[in-house]
Amino acid sequence: EADIYQTPRYLVIGTGKKITLECSQTMGHDKMYWYQQDPGMELHLIHYSYGVNSTEKGDLSSESTVSRIRTEHFPLTLESARPSHTSQYLCASSEGGRGNQPQHFGDGTRLSIL
Amino acid sequence: EDQVTQSPEALRLQEGESSSLNCSYTVSGLRGLFWYRQDPGKGPEFLFTLYSAGEEKEKERLKATLTKKESFLHITAPKPEDSATYLCAVQAEGAQKLVFGQGTRLTINP
Repeated sequence: EADIYQTPRYLVIGTGKKITLECSQTMGHDKMYWYQQDPGMELHLIHYSYGVNSTEKGDLSSESTVSRIRTEHFPLTLESARPSHTSQYLCASSEGGRGNQPQHFGDGTRLSIL
Repeated sequence: EDQVTQSPEALRLQEGESSSLNCSYTVSGLRGLFWYRQDPGKGPEFLFTLYSAGEEKEKERLKATLTKKESFLHITAPKPEDSATYLCAVQAEGAQKLVFGQGTRLTINP
């Protein structure tokens, strides 16, 4: 059973606010990921990390930023939220090594910007 | 460009009525194909990884198969608790990211 936690589960907030979405995993996985998913649509990778102090942008352009100061923690920040940021954000992690290990997901944060 | 297409978009079955979900993919060298189950309001739950054509994996009422162009998720004698969206994703050689399909929304009626 994967142990990856996201908080908050739901967030409704006004335009212009700074937001941080938290993601923590207790499996010691080196690799972590952030995906964005709109209802009925595919998951799109927005950020990933191979390990501490390593972060890369994914395929989907995003105004968010991430940091990886500790192995277990991979927070995502929006400096100034806009209605276009309304979506579900999913965090995942996987083992290092050969690279085709499955990704394990948290239950997501559903973000609504008014 | 790597691409995944799942069909059908939605499938409604009676309890006990077996069927298959399709995942067609194009990828520049397959490193792995992954099946996930996603319940409403939850993150995807990992089911299977398939690495090469001809490989099969089974778990309870689910069986995943792989060819060079597609994968099937066969569901045998499904129960209402099998209702969920099933997602397929591929990872290309040399890539870290997964490319996901849109999913098949499966509903099993009692």
